[in-house]
Amino acid sequence: AQSVTQPDIHITVSEGASLELRCNYSYGATPYLFWYVQSPGQGLQLLLKYFSGDTLVQGIKGFEAEFKRSQSSFNLRKPSVHWSDAAEYFCAVSPSRTGFQKLVFGTGTRLLVSP
Amino acid sequence: DTGVSQNPRHKITKRGQNVTFRCDPISEHNRLYWYRQTLGQGPEFLTYFQNEAQLEKSRLLSDRFSAERPKGSFSTLEIQRTEQGDSAMYLCASSSRDRGLQETQYFGPGTRLLVL
Repeated sequence: AQSVTQPDIHITVSEGASLELRCNYSYGATPYLFWYVQSPGQGLQLLLKYFSGDTLVQGIKGFEAEFKRSQSSFNLRKPSVHWSDAAEYFCAVSPSRTGFQKLVFGTGTRLLVSP
Repeated sequence: DTGVSQNPRHKITKRGQNVTFRCDPISEHNRLYWYRQTLGQGPEFLTYFQNEAQLEKSRLLSDRFSAERPKGSFSTLEIQRTEQGDSAMYLCASSSRDRGLQETQYFGPGTRLLVL
């Protein structure tokens, strides 16, 4: 079945440590790929996106993500986490590259940052 | 660019009442999406507008739900005869296509609905 999987429900990282959030998708063709962040009670903010080309994409707030076709993955990384990064992170895909492009989201990973 | 706005931000209602939410997209965006997010889940697609035309609806959108986008500007989502299972965050997103026919959706702050 077509799906987006974020295997980690919660992750705790010490401030200043590196971070990697995992995302795998299951679609026949390579979809468009996105990472969004959501603070409590707020909407979603776009961190970065991948449409085509360079498989390492840079986003806002020092985040980057790498698309790996062979692994159907689009993992999010940050070299040094700040306390303000604590939030919920959603991986999303747009399965269709034509027509309307609804987003299919993973269940999210909640990031906790310890002092 | 003032971003996507949604009103109200919070709504508490009693079961059986009707509620209406409003979404104002980014002004130059012709595409508008509604999503629903329940606790502990990612957002799920509800419906899609291109300009004023509603072109796609999810099976999640029961007959009690109706959405409009008159004149292709703001959009409203109405829920009739609310049920406790309708309690969720309702998110609106808008987008437009770039020359590569790719689109990026920008989300509003959401309307959190609680049905008692």
